[in-house]
Amino acid sequence: GAGVSQSPRYKVAKRGQDVALRCDPISGHVSLFWYQQALGQGPEFLTYFQNEAQLDKSGLPSDRFFAERPEGSVSTLKIQRTQQEDSAVYLCASSTWVGEETQYFGPGTRLLVL
Amino acid sequence: ELKVEQNPLFLSMQEGKNYTIYCNYSTTSDRLYWYRQDPGKSLESLFVLLSNGAVKQEGRLMASLDTKARLSTLHITAAVHDLSATYFCAVDQGTNDMRFGAGTRLTVKP
Repeated sequence: GAGVSQSPRYKVAKRGQDVALRCDPISGHVSLFWYQQALGQGPEFLTYFQNEAQLDKSGLPSDRFFAERPEGSVSTLKIQRTQQEDSAVYLCASSTWVGEETQYFGPGTRLLVL
Repeated sequence: ELKVEQNPLFLSMQEGKNYTIYCNYSTTSDRLYWYRQDPGKSLESLFVLLSNGAVKQEGRLMASLDTKARLSTLHITAAVHDLSATYFCAVDQGTNDMRFGAGTRLTVKP
């Protein structure tokens, strides 16, 4: 079956521009996670959804970051007024339920802010 | 705050040799994951360790978990070039926040 997909795969933005990153989780997966991975680092948790409910957004670095999952499937991570420090790979992962054994990761969106 | 430390961060080894990667974490957890990441690719799940003393093996890789010592190891046996990648451990405290180590960049040379 299809895995987690993300789009776009690459995004170049000018500083101050708004961007939207999309994640299509595995069909039927209840839980969805967003991570930020800086170059040479491990992924860092941003936010978590269970169905359409955003249950944890403690990892979002600023109020410029916003995530939604209105129908409990596709999710969008939006970054407003992008800054150079936002440059990173944004990974989406899904799992069947909270506490399920593993999270399945998408290929990521590589964001470069100039 | 949960901290996850891996060592070494960089590892260069010859084919056929054995080595161990270590993952230490700072707070109680009985759920630990190992992932592999190839350059420019996403993370691939290798092992899930759910209890003290858990040991899992897949091919040339074997992972273990000691929750009392807050330590997991990833042992590589008779390394081959195809194992070259970055390996991450990640710890889950039962919340939604899975913390990753910084990764061990493994290069296997002929």
